Amino acid sequence: SSELTQDPDVSVALGQTVRITCQGDSLRDFYATWYQQKPGQAPVVVIYDKNKRPSGIPDRFSGAASEKTASLTITGTQAEDEADYYCYSRDSTGNHVLFGGGTRLTVL
Amino acid sequence: EVQLVESGGGQVQPGGSLRLSCAASGFTFSDYNMNWVRQAPGKGLEWVSFISSSDDYIYYADSVKGRFTVSRDNAGKSLYLEMTSLRVEDTAVYYCAREHDSGVYVPYFDLWGQGTLVTVSS
Repeated sequence: SSELTQDPDVSVALGQTVRITCQGDSLRDFYATWYQQKPGQAPVVVIYDKNKRPSGIPDRFSGAASEKTASLTITGTQAEDEADYYCYSRDSTGNHVLFGGGTRLTVL
Repeated sequence: EVQLVESGGGQVQPGGSLRLSCAASGFTFSDYNMNWVRQAPGKGLEWVSFISSSDDYIYYADSVKGRFTVSRDNAGKSLYLEMTSLRVEDTAVYYCAREHDSGVYVPYFDLWGQGTLVTVSS
């Protein structure tokens, strides 16, 4: 399969921990990247190469991977973390990009 | 300032054509692979096309292959997407995105434009 599957909606109480998952066969061969997108804005990468954070991304964001599943964890979720989150990887050739369907995170 | 600025979007009838442009500034454009990504209204991200830094590798999503053509002008620091035989389902915001592939296992998009809206409707 050349798809990445995400839960469409996830909610979390302010200050709590939330885990967003992504499943797909390609994740056995390629690390996941995670993007955050807020309304009306372009996506921003929050995790790359499974668990690395670009400069400027808070350390409450972390990533992990196991077999065909990648996960993004936000520890101590803040109101500004409310956004859509997309996982991203490559197909079996490595040449085509795959995006997950996205997870809308609501902070209660 | 390091940025990408798309232009060329607009409304077009089904079967029509449109050419999108992406102007790069603030970095050495010719050093980077580039991509187009689109997002239909209220929907998720969909990768469209890739072009390598020196134009020797080009890839397309199956949904646009044979209808869209990506190109670049390194001297002019610009990326293009020629879209033909447009369909209603091509309606989306189109983003150009720079690829970061240095020192990483899986390249990712580290710089995005603000997007340009393409509406295919009769």
